[in-house]
Amino acid sequence: DAGVTQSPTHLIKTRGQQVTLRCSPKSGHDTVSWYQQALGQGPQFIFQYYEEEERQRGNFPDRFSGHQFPNYSSELNVNALLLGDSALYLCASSASLRSTEAFFGQGTRLTVV
Amino acid sequence: QQQVKQSPQSLIVQKGGISIINCAYENTAFDYFPWYQQFPGKGPALLIAIRPDVSEKKEGRFTISFNKSAKQFSLHIMDSQPGDSATYFCAPADRGSTLGRLYFGRGTQLTVWP
Repeated sequence: DAGVTQSPTHLIKTRGQQVTLRCSPKSGHDTVSWYQQALGQGPQFIFQYYEEEERQRGNFPDRFSGHQFPNYSSELNVNALLLGDSALYLCASSASLRSTEAFFGQGTRLTVV
Repeated sequence: QQQVKQSPQSLIVQKGGISIINCAYENTAFDYFPWYQQFPGKGPALLIAIRPDVSEKKEGRFTISFNKSAKQFSLHIMDSQPGDSATYFCAPADRGSTLGRLYFGRGTQLTVWP
């Protein structure tokens, strides 16, 4: 079982650019959540996807959007990148919408310059 | 994150000692209380979790103590080992209205000296 896999591992982008991060959930999981972890902080919830729909959203601007595919994999898109978007982006999968046992990937380290 | 306050921010313990990390929360709807462990370059991993109908849960060297009236729960690591050096997060959730969304504390960086 490969667990939750994220790509790429590291990424450097310029202010104003757009970025797409990818996540494959753990086998058997159908719910994917995305979190942003700034340096020295705890992860903050961005949004959650289930059945290809955004089910709930944290306090993040519309520049942050996502998608879930029929195979349950997911993408996180960030438009008009700001320096403050530099962070570790974590994907977590769970076995159902209300399951709290979340399994995290290793994250994508995004640096905006 | 303002719903969850974690302390201390950092902790240094000698090998064999007891590490204690505390978490205070505001939202009385929280009904799932986990602790996550994160090593550098890795994502958080579930360490131990408790539900509000019990006051304590022990798994090996790790124990959660839960005080519902005080809205606090804590992680105790007995016989701390250098391999326990990591960042620990409390991350309570309300399984009802927010569908398993985790509310992370700011983390506690634990260092265990050999």
